[in-house]
Amino acid sequence: EAGVAQSPRYKIIEKRQSVAFWCNPISGHATLYWYQQILGQGPKLLIQFQNNGVVDDSQLPKDRFSAERLKGVDSTLKIQPAKLEDSAVYLCASSLEYTSYEQYFGPGTRLTVT
Amino acid sequence: QKEVEQNSGPLSVPEGAIASLNCTYSDRGSQSFFWYRQYSGKSPELIMFIYSNGDKEDGRFTAQLNKASQYVSLLIRDSQPSDSATYLCAASIKAAGNKLTFGGGTRVLVKP
Repeated sequence: EAGVAQSPRYKIIEKRQSVAFWCNPISGHATLYWYQQILGQGPKLLIQFQNNGVVDDSQLPKDRFSAERLKGVDSTLKIQPAKLEDSAVYLCASSLEYTSYEQYFGPGTRLTVT
Repeated sequence: QKEVEQNSGPLSVPEGAIASLNCTYSDRGSQSFFWYRQYSGKSPELIMFIYSNGDKEDGRFTAQLNKASQYVSLLIRDSQPSDSATYLCAASIKAAGNKLTFGGGTRVLVKP
């Protein structure tokens, strides 16, 4: 079974530029999560989708971050404009259902904002 | 106040010894608790989850939960150098869509 795919793996941009990350969850997984992990910290949930609907986006900085999962499969997370403090690893995870205990994480995208 | 707290470490243990990791949580509504292992530069992988008070064993790993004290722990028996990693504790509330709230992680170093 293929795991969660993410791209790109690394991205370096200047502040005020925009960037987009892509995630393809495990086939058949209805729930998709985006986490932000700053160096030395645990992951923080940004947004959770159940199919193509948003379950929780309470910690998503909506003035600059947006995410979509239009067809209920893959998802895109965008930052516009980026700030220095957005430098982090962006992790995508998926689970079979939102009631499932196990979340499977992708390899992450390491973003550096200069 | 952080919702899930862990000692950042590093916790240094000799090979073959028991590593004991602790985690406390503040939200009494938390129902399920998870231990993830994260190697440097890699993504987290689930080791165990526990939702009932008491102990749960899986191979060399034992998770312990005490809801009255809001305390979760992970024991790693017969520690191996390959166990050197950061261990993340997370809590979830089913009614909140099983959203995971992570602690900051404890770095474990197993010395040969």
